[in-house]
Amino acid sequence: EDQVTQSPEALRLQEGESSSLNCSYTVSGLRGLFWYRQDPGKGPEFLFTLYSAGEEKEKERLKATLTKKESFLHITAPKPEDSATYLCAVRENQAGTALIFGKGTTLSVSS
Amino acid sequence: NAGVTQTPKFRILKIGQSMTLQCTQDMNHNYMYWYRQDPGMGLKLIYYSVGAGITDKGEVPNGYNVSRSTTEDFPLRLELAAPSQTSVYFCASSQGGEQYFGPGTRLTVT
Repeated sequence: EDQVTQSPEALRLQEGESSSLNCSYTVSGLRGLFWYRQDPGKGPEFLFTLYSAGEEKEKERLKATLTKKESFLHITAPKPEDSATYLCAVRENQAGTALIFGKGTTLSVSS
Repeated sequence: NAGVTQTPKFRILKIGQSMTLQCTQDMNHNYMYWYRQDPGMGLKLIYYSVGAGITDKGEVPNGYNVSRSTTEDFPLRLELAAPSQTSVYFCASSQGGEQYFGPGTRLTVT
């Protein structure tokens, strides 16, 4: 069973059409939830870290939130340049500094 | 700062050949990692290091070896390459928090 599940697998939006990506996790003792953006042919680029339920982080059109079982990446009024794969990863108590990654959500924004 | 650099960017190997993927970071991070990424799958941890001279296995270590003689470098060695090792390999570093990734090496074994 996957410890980190992202949904949907793919999402197509029109420019300006806001939506949310979901990351649910089943690890015990969360020590951090991380969001990354990955463009085709590139390495993942760090976006946010969330540590406790209720925490929120924002960057431009992106806002990440965290509950005890899941995290949401809200995208407000997206632009075509927001098209990418968004990866969620968690660090749990017993895993040292290693991250457990979900499979990602591929976002396509058309103008 | 260049961040995390990886060489080569692309490589084609024949079955049974060996090679070393190079990774260097200039952020003075203690922690370094090697992941592989296959289509439709999440990043899987191969090996990691918490400092020079210390390495440990991740989720998928079979067929790979690593060494960490300096803080900056963390090479990944493939011995007797197999088609199952066809993948994109990413190196990352951190100081205990978020990890910073290199641009990746795309490896094909035929």
